[in-house]
Amino acid sequence: KAGVTQTPRYLIKTRGQQVTLSCSPISGHRSVSWYQQTPGQGLQFLFEYFSETQRNKGNFPGRFSGRQFSNSRSEMNVSTLELGDSALYLCASSLEFRDFEAFFGQGTRLTVV
Amino acid sequence: LAKTTQPISMDSYEGQEVNITCSHNNIATNDYITWYQQFPSQGPRFIIQGYKTKVTNEVASLFIPADRKSSTLSLPRVSLSDTAVYYCLVGYNDYKLSFGAGTTVTVRA
Repeated sequence: KAGVTQTPRYLIKTRGQQVTLSCSPISGHRSVSWYQQTPGQGLQFLFEYFSETQRNKGNFPGRFSGRQFSNSRSEMNVSTLELGDSALYLCASSLEFRDFEAFFGQGTRLTVV
Repeated sequence: LAKTTQPISMDSYEGQEVNITCSHNNIATNDYITWYQQFPSQGPRFIIQGYKTKVTNEVASLFIPADRKSSTLSLPRVSLSDTAVYYCLVGYNDYKLSFGAGTTVTVRA
């Protein structure tokens, strides 16, 4: 059974640009959550999608957005990138909404210069 | 304000038991307490989850008192390969999710 796949693994962007990250969940999992991990702030919840709808959102500005497709694949977008957006972005999939027994991908390392 | 707190680090020796406590006031009534393990350059890996009392699986035990304001992850007989960062994850009544800051467990020979 394939695990959670995140693409790309590494990304370098310039301030002001926008970026889209992709997450393919485990087959059969309907919930996808996104997290930002930084040395200073640790793991912070961004949002959770279930059945193509955002069900929950963390305390991040509107520059951070996402969506989920009918096949449960998800994308997150960050617009007008800032240096502080440099982080490891992790995606996790689970069977149901608010199911904390989640499986994480290896993450996308975003560097903003 | 919901806050999930856990110790920053713990040291242990091979074969010992390691107990990590996480404090989580205002936990959501219906949410579980979940613990994850993370190695460098990898995403977190699910260890165990519980709602109340005690849960045990092949790698750990989780103790949750009746008031559910804290939980303790117990790793029996740790080995060098258990050196990692351990996180607790909790859902709160404001519907937000909160990870603790992580506890770095270092196991020495």
